[in-house]
Amino acid sequence: QSALTQPRSVSGSPGQSVTISCTGTSSDVGAYDYVSWYQQHPGKAPKLMIYDVTKRPSGVPDRFSGSKSGNSASLTISGLQAEDEADYYCCSYAGSYTYVLFGGGTKLTVL
Amino acid sequence: QLQLQESGPGLVKPSETLSLTCTVSGGSISSGVYFWGWIRQPPGKGLEWIGNIYYNGNTYYNPSLKNRVTISVDTSKNHFSLNLSSVTAADTAVYYCARDGEAVAGTFGYWGQGTLVTVSS
Repeated sequence: QSALTQPRSVSGSPGQSVTISCTGTSSDVGAYDYVSWYQQHPGKAPKLMIYDVTKRPSGVPDRFSGSKSGNSASLTISGLQAEDEADYYCCSYAGSYTYVLFGGGTKLTVL
Repeated sequence: QLQLQESGPGLVKPSETLSLTCTVSGGSISSGVYFWGWIRQPPGKGLEWIGNIYYNGNTYYNPSLKNRVTISVDTSKNHFSLNLSSVTAADTAVYYCARDGEAVAGTFGYWGQGTLVTVSS
């Protein structure tokens, strides 16, 4: 099964909001409420930012929010800060054969 | 605080088997609450899920790697391991171990620091 589709890059200025999309199919994103988002800074391990579509782990700022509509999910970052510049990956459960799919990743640049 | 640490050779020859271990501290694999997984990332590329294991040995693999992957668990040592056979240069990557949620869902809340494995003769 193919990876989930994300834009290669997005950008925004400090204080602005950006949204990163993640497009799957009716067999993964559209079928289950198990979409998660990861932030990865260069040379570091990924960090879980959103799980179960909309939930934030303890310690993640409420500037980060998730949503889903049909076969697509989105991560919105409001009040952009310089430290938000990183790669972001979406991830979805994809049923009892494929199990877990990642998106190709999106590079966020804070201008 | 839960910590995970990967260990194993950083260089593997083509056609041989890549073997890594993930040691868990600050929590017990045998608690039976969480699933434990391996994820890899080729240099400059995205994340790829390899597979998960439960404390009782039940495994769940990426279909594209299933024929070459074995994940096992040793609850007495509180670690789980990855074997990837018949490796090629395409298997060169940073390999991460991580803790998934209470189901196989891709909800990896804790990660090891990652270990780079290079496949080269």
